[in-house]
Amino acid sequence: AQSVTQPDARVTVSEGASLQLRCKYSYFGTPYLFWYVQYPRQGLQLLLKYYPGDPVVQGVNGFEAEFSKSNSSFHLRKASVHWSDWAVYFCAVSPMSNYNVLYFGSGTKLTVEP
Amino acid sequence: GALVYQYPRRTICKSGTSMRMECQAVGFQATSVAWYRQSPQKTFELIALSTVNSAIKYEQNFTQEKFPISHPNLSFSSMTVLNAYLEDRGLYLCGASGQSNTEVFFGKGTRLTVV
Repeated sequence: AQSVTQPDARVTVSEGASLQLRCKYSYFGTPYLFWYVQYPRQGLQLLLKYYPGDPVVQGVNGFEAEFSKSNSSFHLRKASVHWSDWAVYFCAVSPMSNYNVLYFGSGTKLTVEP
Repeated sequence: GALVYQYPRRTICKSGTSMRMECQAVGFQATSVAWYRQSPQKTFELIALSTVNSAIKYEQNFTQEKFPISHPNLSFSSMTVLNAYLEDRGLYLCGASGQSNTEVFFGKGTRLTVV
């Protein structure tokens, strides 16, 4: 069965520092992978998505993620974090047959220190 | 552009009563609508997927008897939480996609409080 693990429940970084949020997936076959962000008291916004192809995908607001089949990972990165990035980040996997079926990880809460 | 509206945004219901929430797609034809729940301090769980002209598919731990869903046309879907109790509180999200099925558009959610 498909699943996503985000091993870090909380991450704290200083503003301007680099960021990596980890995501490991379990899926039989070729997964479609996503990163979503949830700002306080809001719904979900798509940051980026991976469909089979280039393993490094670019997203909005300077975010990027790298797919690794050998490591079953899809880590999210940002070179320089801004205070407005303070939010909860969710990694999700979807079966190829229907992109509207998403299985989410438990989320990583990002805190940005001044 | 493509937008998804959900209403009400917030609602409170008494324990044991039912609550209906709605999801409207604007700017595209929502051939597929999925409902998710985020319980307090938890992640998003898929409740069910509704595809036009197909049976609604519920995930394990969620049933039609508890969460009946209607998807009567390509712009609207509703879900009812029947006999709501404390464990049903949370943020309910609607995600809709069109025929090309390459992107899901989420509404801002309906936040359900049960008292």
